[in-house]
Amino acid sequence: GQQLNQSPQSMFIQEGEDVSMNCTSSSIFNTWLWYKQDPGEGPVLLIALYKAGELTSNGRLTAQFGITRKDSFLNISASIPSDVGIYFCAGQPKSNYQLIWGAGTKLIIKP
Amino acid sequence: DGGITQSPKYLFRKEGQNVTLSCEQNLNHDAMYWYRQDPGQGLRLIYYSQIVNDFQKGDIAEGYSVSREKKESFPLTVTSAQKNPTAFYLCAVGQNNQPQHFGDGTRLSIL
Repeated sequence: GQQLNQSPQSMFIQEGEDVSMNCTSSSIFNTWLWYKQDPGEGPVLLIALYKAGELTSNGRLTAQFGITRKDSFLNISASIPSDVGIYFCAGQPKSNYQLIWGAGTKLIIKP
Repeated sequence: DGGITQSPKYLFRKEGQNVTLSCEQNLNHDAMYWYRQDPGQGLRLIYYSQIVNDFQKGDIAEGYSVSREKKESFPLTVTSAQKNPTAFYLCAVGQNNQPQHFGDGTRLSIL
């Protein structure tokens, strides 16, 4: 079946640092989504991408839909304590509506 | 997300018991989804429904059952056949090709 490889699995950063994470797939996707999940809550949509090469920002967050349609990355600039959580990518294959999920990137800010 | 209500927040199941998790939405979205989340893993699709009175199995449907008698409601029953039910269960809703939005989840544990 289709799989997404999300990396890194976890990140330990200092407050104020920039963060970068990515997802890659063996097949093309029509849509890439990035979500953030806080402990004990459901994922919240951060950014949705619909076109190859698309670059979209949401405040300090920037995400891009890879030109090959097989990857996407998410950058967070100048991280703050409330950025901690788990970030998930999800891709929607062209042929159906079901999302394929990455395993998540856990962001931890070092005190 | 506002408009999606999962209940209860926490649920305990005894051996051999069926339990039902509730998901209600007032967003008037056609599609509803149930996911299971285990620690350190991404989301896995259990069942989904794109229209009232119709639903399809996802990747891990064994030991679960659903119904979609009303557009607003998509309850999930965890049956005694599910031998490892301890997990965080997430309900999501969607519309056409729009991104899915999630409830706050139900954490199920075994007594």
